[in-house]
Amino acid sequence: RKEVEQDPGPFNVPEGATVAFNCTYSNSASQSFFWYRQDCRKEPKLLMSVYSSGNEDGRFTAQLNRASQYISLLIRDSKLSDSATYLCSCNTDKLIFGTGTRLQVFP
Amino acid sequence: DTEVTQTPKHLVMGMTNKKSLKCEQHMGHRAMYWYKQKAKKPPELMFVYSYEKLSINESVPSRFSPECPNSSLLNLHLHALQPEDSALYLCASSQAGGSELFFGEGSRLTVL
Repeated sequence: RKEVEQDPGPFNVPEGATVAFNCTYSNSASQSFFWYRQDCRKEPKLLMSVYSSGNEDGRFTAQLNRASQYISLLIRDSKLSDSATYLCSCNTDKLIFGTGTRLQVFP
Repeated sequence: DTEVTQTPKHLVMGMTNKKSLKCEQHMGHRAMYWYKQKAKKPPELMFVYSYEKLSINESVPSRFSPECPNSSLLNLHLHALQPEDSALYLCASSQAGGSELFFGEGSRLTVL
């Protein structure tokens, strides 16, 4: 079993849609969690950290469920510019990435 | 713009060449990382330096040799690579282990 698993997608959604990504992790000792965004042929960029109480940044909401060992990312009112690959990551003594979920927002 | 600078952005080398990838950060971060990323795959951790000491080596072949001359610099020395080593090599830094990573733009390596 992979340490961090994501649905690879692609998710094809129209502008304005709400889309949710889930990510599961196997190491219960994971201490910190992040969502990164990666555009084609670019480096990953931090989108947001994920806190136990859940956190929101504009149209983006991240949740952590330690009991079930998954994290989620909700994007509301999708924009064309949200099209990218979204990588979840978990940290024990090193940061491990999930396979990434490809999002394509169409007009 | 990223605050982690990698050079060169592109590198083509033969299997007998020796080359180096360089990474620099001036954010005062004490942990630095090398990741390797193949197309349509997530970044895979190679090495972690913490306070200028190698703390993690993910069983990387010896043809890849990391070096951390000081807290701001990280090098990856390449020797006798194979075509399957062609990938995007990403350097990253973090304030401490466990905190978020900041990536450079990467060095795209092609081994002929």
